[in-house]
Parts: sequence; structure tokens; C-alpha cells
Amino acid sequence: DIQLTQSPSFLSASIGDRVTITCRASQGISNYLAWYQQIPGKAPKLLIYAASTLQSGVPSRFSGSGSGTEFTLTISSLQPEDFATYYCQQHNDYPLTFGGGTKVEIK
Amino acid sequence: EVQLVESGGGLVQPGGSLGLSCAASGFTFSDHYMDWVRQTPGKGLEWVGRIRNKANIYTTEYAASVRDRFTISRDDSKNSLYLQMNSLKTDDTAVYYCARVADTIWSRTVDDYWGQGALVTVSS
Repeated sequence: DIQLTQSPSFLSASIGDRVTITCRASQGISNYLAWYQQIPGKAPKLLIYAASTLQSGVPSRFSGSGSGTEFTLTISSLQPEDFATYYCQQHNDYPLTFGGGTKVEIK
Repeated sequence: EVQLVESGGGLVQPGGSLGLSCAASGFTFSDHYMDWVRQTPGKGLEWVGRIRNKANIYTTEYAASVRDRFTISRDDSKNSLYLQMNSLKTDDTAVYYCARVADTIWSRTVDDYWGQGALVTVSS
């Protein structure tokens, strides 16, 4: 199975900060990586797929990059509604797998 | 508006069985692959399995942790997705989400809509 390692697992940031989350795959997955946001008590929400394609309706402050084994999710200017947990997911091969999550909290 | 509504969660003893349903609306259900994803309390996400559409002969994929115990099925005439869970273990305790797969094109085989989740508790 393809393992995804997210870092950091927790980060504390302020409104307006630029935030970067990294996801590393245990083997190459081309660009078949998605990012999801989950607010407590809610279902995950798709933000980005194919590593860098923004899902319809997602604010442009979110961006993704990377290919192969290293990927990043960047929030250019953190907003109050962005405090949540973020997960990466590979869809290169079965079984699909998720990273362990990165919780973004208010500093 | 795309809606996915799970039902059937509850408390079951270890070794028991339980079935979940997911009612879909707001899109052409028969066109889409569908996934089940679970989340253990306070922990991360685990993909459970996928069922493809009729054009792909309803084939399925499963996580190793549930293969041979769980079965995913669908009824396109009822716009419904199902998860039959047998030989349940305490480790299967989780919130179970049904999710729509965006497209059959590999770059878009991601979950673009999710239900609100159904809690399954396996305990004696």
C-alpha cells in the first residue's frame, strides 16, 4: 500500500498567515493526489485534485503543487473559516490511502 | 443540489452484522462510481471501498482490512448505495461516509460530494 506522510501534524497560525502543508508518498504517484478540508463535526470537503487543480467553488487562496512523491498545499492568507484539519489522499492505486492529517489552529 | 444521506448506523456486538444505505439525489447516480470512507472517533480517514458504474460492470475494490467481510452494492433504479458489514470487529467502530466519485477519468477519481456520515459502534 502507498503510505502518505503529512507534515506538520499540527500547526498554529494567525489570520493572514501563509501556511504550507506537505504530503510525502512512499512511492511515486504521478500527480494523483487530492487535498480535503474537514471542519469538526462535518464531512470532508474536496479542495484540490490532480495535485494542483482547484475544485469548483474553492477560494483561490488555496493552491496545490507537486508530483511524484512530494506535494504541498498552500493557503496564501489564512482566513477564520480555514481553521480545520487537512488531509491528502492518493488515487494513483488501490487501496486509496489518506495522510494522517494536519490540524490548523488559531495562534 | 447533490445530496447523499446515509442511514442504518447503530450499535452492534462484535461478530455481528449491519447494513448501511446511502440515498443519492441531485445527480445522475447511475453514471458515477461511489465510495465508502470511514473515520474512527478522533482519528483520520480510511477508504473502505468503491463500486464502479454499470458501464464498468459494477466492479468493486476494497481495503484489505474489510475485504471478505464487507460488501458494497448499489441499486441504480433506487439511486441507492449499500454497505453490508459482516463479522464486525471493535476496530470497525467509526463514522461511515458515502461519497460520490467525481468522474471516471483517472485524474478525477476523487470524492467530490460526501454524506453527513453514519455512526457504527461495535461493542459488547
